[in-house]
Amino acid sequence: AQSVTQLGSHVSVSEGALVLLRCNYSSSVPPYLFWYVQYPNQGLQLLLKYTSAATLVKGINGFEAEFKKSETSFHLTKPSAHMSDAAEYFCAVVYGNNRLAFGKGNQVVVIP
Amino acid sequence: DAGVIQSPRHEVTEMGQEVTLRCKPISGHDYLFWYRQTMMRGLELLIYFNNNVPIDDSGMPEDRFSAKMPNASFSTLKIQPSEPRDSAVYFCASSSERFSGNTIYFGEGSWLTVV
Repeated sequence: AQSVTQLGSHVSVSEGALVLLRCNYSSSVPPYLFWYVQYPNQGLQLLLKYTSAATLVKGINGFEAEFKKSETSFHLTKPSAHMSDAAEYFCAVVYGNNRLAFGKGNQVVVIP
Repeated sequence: DAGVIQSPRHEVTEMGQEVTLRCKPISGHDYLFWYRQTMMRGLELLIYFNNNVPIDDSGMPEDRFSAKMPNASFSTLKIQPSEPRDSAVYFCASSSERFSGNTIYFGEGSWLTVV
């Protein structure tokens, strides 16, 4: 069964520093992978998605993620954190008929 | 284009009352999903529909929960009777293989508190 692992429920990063959120997946077939962001009291917004095209995927708000099949990873990065990046981030993998399996999420705190 | 629209955004109800959550998917999308988000369990898929037909309801916690999709533009999730442990955020989402490349779009969520 497909599943997603996100380690470290809370991630603190200084403003201007690199944001790195790790995601590892298990999938028996080539995956569709997503990163979603959830701002406080809001729904989930798509950041970016991997659909077997380019392995480096660029998303909104300066985020990007790299698909590495050999490592079964899809880590999310942003070179320079901004205060507005404070949110919860979810990695997800599609399985069977567009269903999403979500990771536990990373709560990102940006320190001024 | 309008996104996935959910109502109510917030609901506070007493234990034992019936709760009905509503969802309007994105026009043209043929998949509709109901998710529940809690601190303890994260995001869980409750049920999903394809072309208005329920495909998998294995995530529905118990018989108190029911979902319907009478037409392509409307779905409901009903809890009867409600219990405090049902307090959560309920998300509706929709997608289309043809029009969104498997991207699943979420509504703003319905924040349910059962007291």
